[in-house]
Amino acid sequence: SAVISQKPSRDICQRGTSLTIQCQVDSQVTMMFWYRQQPGQSLTLIATANQGSEATYESGFVIDKFPISRPNLTFSTLTVSNMSPEDSSIYLCSVELGEGSEAFFGQGTRLTVV
Amino acid sequence: GQNIDQPTEMTATEGAIVQINCTYQTSGFNGLFWYQQHAGEAPTFLSYNVLDGLEEKGRFSSFLSRSKGYSYLLLKELQMKDSASYLCAVKNSNYQLIWGAGTKLIIKP
Repeated sequence: SAVISQKPSRDICQRGTSLTIQCQVDSQVTMMFWYRQQPGQSLTLIATANQGSEATYESGFVIDKFPISRPNLTFSTLTVSNMSPEDSSIYLCSVELGEGSEAFFGQGTRLTVV
Repeated sequence: GQNIDQPTEMTATEGAIVQINCTYQTSGFNGLFWYQQHAGEAPTFLSYNVLDGLEEKGRFSSFLSRSKGYSYLLLKELQMKDSASYLCAVKNSNYQLIWGAGTKLIIKP
């Protein structure tokens, strides 16, 4: 299994500002995943972060808005830039230990933009 | 496109049995997962099916039929703490997880 420490757990931010979310994993993993979950909805994959290369973004998400860092095999950050109220959501990081493995999640970051 | 369908909400009585269905259409199949998510918390893994048939884990069982693109999660002896959302997810041919919208299960005493 994998244990992921994600922070902050929640934040209230002013529009136009940026927030960086951090995830620390207790083991080395190749890929880390960043999701967004809006109230009452399912998980939407934002991007996949590989160590040593640029993140791969899903349709509808761009690097300028959601820059990601992956400096080593146990850590990643997601920044939500130039925030607007539409960015209010829960953001989750996740890892998988292999192709047949389940996903493990951080505790989530509940972001409110005012 | 790829999609996963599951009911939006279900209600059941404490002590009873409930079955949550999931149908999927994905580009390839490399396993189906069920997760439980309590309000305000991250999803936690419940079960994994990659071959047809029933997998049992205590009060929870999960069934898969690949030919029908169908799975269900069966919860027995329901407890109040089982009130949560249940997410169905499928790994496609690229091993990418495709998520259903989740089924909110309400347990009544």
